[in-house]
Amino acid sequence: AQSVTQLDSHVSVSEGTPVLLRCNYSSSYSPSLFWYVQHPNKGLQLLLKYTSAATLVKGINGFEAEFKKSETSFHLTKPSAHMSDAAEYFCVVSEPSGYSTLTFGKGTMLLVSP
Amino acid sequence: DADVTQTPRNRITKTGKRIMLECSQTKGHDRMYWYRQDPGLGLRLIYYSFDVKDINKGEISDGYSVSRQAQAKFSLSLESAIPNQTALYFCATSETLAGATDTQYFGPGTRLTVL
Repeated sequence: AQSVTQLDSHVSVSEGTPVLLRCNYSSSYSPSLFWYVQHPNKGLQLLLKYTSAATLVKGINGFEAEFKKSETSFHLTKPSAHMSDAAEYFCVVSEPSGYSTLTFGKGTMLLVSP
Repeated sequence: DADVTQTPRNRITKTGKRIMLECSQTKGHDRMYWYRQDPGLGLRLIYYSFDVKDINKGEISDGYSVSRQAQAKFSLSLESAIPNQTALYFCATSETLAGATDTQYFGPGTRLTVL
């Protein structure tokens, strides 16, 4: 069975400083992994996805994530936070089957202060 | 125009009422999903459909039912609403890929309040 753990429910950063949102996963197979973002009162938008190609995945808005199989991690990073990055972020895992579904983490709220 | 639309966007209802949430998509995807989001719990899968004749229960299907009227339409019903079904509900779609998991595209959500 697949599962995902987001290690922080809230992360606070100052504008211009780096962002690190942590995610660990559990899967019996080589999983597909995703990060989605949800801005206040909005739907979910895909930031990036890993599907067994390059382990360093670049996404939209300057975000990237690195798949580390030995650590079962898929942490999301950004070199310099912007006020518009304030949102809730979800790490998502899925096993590589055509019949699989997504399992969401509980979310990390990113707060960005001026 | 949005690729995945949900109606209504907001709904307040009373305990015991039947309510239907509707989802339509113009992406041409075979697969559709219903999730609910509760604060601090992320999104949990209620039902999913891999084509018009295929309906599957998700993690939390009790108290819900669905109907796939066409490839583009997937409705979620609460037969007798109860207060703990108050939540934000999302519809999503994805393509069918052999041996892989494709990106899911989400609608804007329906905020449901059961009094």
